[in-house]
Amino acid sequence: ETGVTQTPRHLVMGMTNKKSLKCEQHLGHNAMYWYKQSAKKPLELMFVYSLEERVENNSVPSRFSPECPNSSHLFLHLHTLQPEDSALYLCASSQEYGGHSTGELFFGEGSRLTVL
Amino acid sequence: GQNIDQPTEMTATEGAIVQINCTYQTSGFNGLFWYQQHAGEAPTFLSYNVLDGLEEKGRFSSFLSRSKGYSYLLLKELQMKDSASYLCAAYFMDSNYQLIWGAGTKLIIKP
Repeated sequence: ETGVTQTPRHLVMGMTNKKSLKCEQHLGHNAMYWYKQSAKKPLELMFVYSLEERVENNSVPSRFSPECPNSSHLFLHLHTLQPEDSALYLCASSQEYGGHSTGELFFGEGSRLTVL
Repeated sequence: GQNIDQPTEMTATEGAIVQINCTYQTSGFNGLFWYQQHAGEAPTFLSYNVLDGLEEKGRFSSFLSRSKGYSYLLLKELQMKDSASYLCAAYFMDSNYQLIWGAGTKLIIKP
């Protein structure tokens, strides 16, 4: 299996729908991340979980709700999204030591989200 | 906040050499990464520089000058499969050790 897997790879949803993105890592890492990638923009960090506790929430709107039930799984629950939320959502994992990441992130291939 | 600047797009010829530059503000700098991302795929790690100098890994090399706030990724003997986006990212102490990313450089290789 690949290190970090994301499902679904593609998702189209209306503004009133509720959906979830799933991420699973098989690398034994203790930190997981959600990033948003929009065309020609830097990666935007949305959430960080370290040892299953959320340690960062970068002013992300409440219509995005993360969940980390264990160190291998990460979800992003979506509801009442806006068209400007259309983007590639990337999950990543890394190994943290002493509260800081080693920096080398292992990314999944992303979930391409389109909000109509 | 910190900014990472890199060119939006570059074009090079198969077999040639290309240098992709990345600049950042030096205050609180703690290390710099290069990632490669092919269209529709996950970003993958290429290199990590903390100290000044050149790190070589096969056809790819990465250079860092901490005092100048400057890094470059050097790709030699370009192959068509090197067509991808190259992402520069850095750690800063005042960003709580979150990676700050550049917008990426799209490299187009022509035969």
